[in-house]
Amino acid sequence: QKEVEQNSGPLSVPEGAIASLNCTYSDRGSQSFFWYRQYSGKSPELIMSIYSNGDKEDGRFTAQLNKASQYVSLLIRDSQPSDSATYLCASSRDDKIIFGKGTRLHILP
Amino acid sequence: GAVVSQHPSRVICKSGTSVKIECRSLDFQATTMFWYRQFPKKSLMLMATSNEGSKATYEQGVEKDKFLINHASLTLSTLTVTSAHPEDSSFYICSARVLRYGYTFGSGTRLTVV
Repeated sequence: QKEVEQNSGPLSVPEGAIASLNCTYSDRGSQSFFWYRQYSGKSPELIMSIYSNGDKEDGRFTAQLNKASQYVSLLIRDSQPSDSATYLCASSRDDKIIFGKGTRLHILP
Repeated sequence: GAVVSQHPSRVICKSGTSVKIECRSLDFQATTMFWYRQFPKKSLMLMATSNEGSKATYEQGVEKDKFLINHASLTLSTLTVTSAHPEDSSFYICSARVLRYGYTFGSGTRLTVV
């Protein structure tokens, strides 16, 4: 059973601090990795995609991929109350995407 | 770019009736569309993969006769919940793969069966 594992949280982070979200995946053949943000009652929206080992930065967000460890992370710098949401990690292979159950992030004002 | 338009956003229907949900890719062609269901505070559950011009592939445990999927064109896929019951009340979301972008989601449909 191919899986994507995430800590369900909630993860509470003070405003202005760095939020660190982690994810592991079981399928070594996974080719692409994604982080989605989902607000309550809304559909997921893509935050970051990453395809190769290392870091990828986009504004306050940095995705990190380590294929040897089958590990993906998302760092959110200068956390804002609007970052409070559920973050879904996903991996895909050959057009098949698998989502983790999500980590609830709560930014403390 | 890469927008999937999903309608309706909310629907309330009586038990035993059928409801159709539409997803349109607005500025790209979606040969494959994915349909998900999400219960409150739960993760996305893939129901089926819709392929243009062919039969949908359903995940284990999903009744294909209850959840009818039609993908008649490269820009439109529909999910029909037939003979809906209260336990079918959920948040239904479609998604399409966009090259060099990832997967983009429709805005979701909140179905309430009374």
